[in-house]
Amino acid sequence: QVTLKESGPGILQPSQTLSLTCTFSGFSLSTYGMGVGWIRQPSGKGLEWLANIWWDDDKYYNPSLKNRLTISKDTSNNQAFLKITNVDTADTATYYCAHLIYYGLFDYWGQGVMVTVSS
Amino acid sequence: DIQMTQSPSSLSASLGDRVTITCRASQDIGNYLTWFQQKPGKSPRRMIYGATNLEDGVPSRFSGSRSGSDYSLTISSLESEDVADYHCLQSIQYPLTFGSGTKLEIK
Repeated sequence: QVTLKESGPGILQPSQTLSLTCTFSGFSLSTYGMGVGWIRQPSGKGLEWLANIWWDDDKYYNPSLKNRLTISKDTSNNQAFLKITNVDTADTATYYCAHLIYYGLFDYWGQGVMVTVSS
Repeated sequence: DIQMTQSPSSLSASLGDRVTITCRASQDIGNYLTWFQQKPGKSPRRMIYGATNLEDGVPSRFSGSRSGSDYSLTISSLESEDVADYHCLQSIQYPLTFGSGTKLEIK
């Protein structure tokens, strides 16, 4: 059974770096075809894809965030990470991680973690 | 980037109605289209993948179809538990892009 759970700081100030962790079970990021993606959703708004990382360490980013994103993984501890630098209030959202498999995306999602950027 | 134009943005229908939500892709995406349901306060749930394939456990009243660049999610007979936001996603090309979402309510 695949499960994922996000964790993060809750609140941070503008210009800081947001660090998010996705801890998962039921699959391994060292297995062929597996991956983890990050998606966010401001309150009352739509979904925005942020980044994907694959078993072979291939990484893809949303260019709309202008090089502020870094995705990484720790296969030994079944975790994936997302960093967003220089945050501002527009980064206030619920952040989700989701499971990827090479023939299908986002079949399992975490519960989401709410992040507020405020001075 | 591929734009996904989703319509309507909101929809109010009666129990038992047939409901259709549509996403139009700005470029050819083949069948790389996924539909998600998101109930209030919950994470999205994948309902349909590959434009027409029903996820295991999803009621058979849900279906997906394609006509050219238009992709549709249809609920054949609306039930109260279907109240949710619905989102489409194209995955043929990075950056992955979602539609703007449809809020479905009961009239």
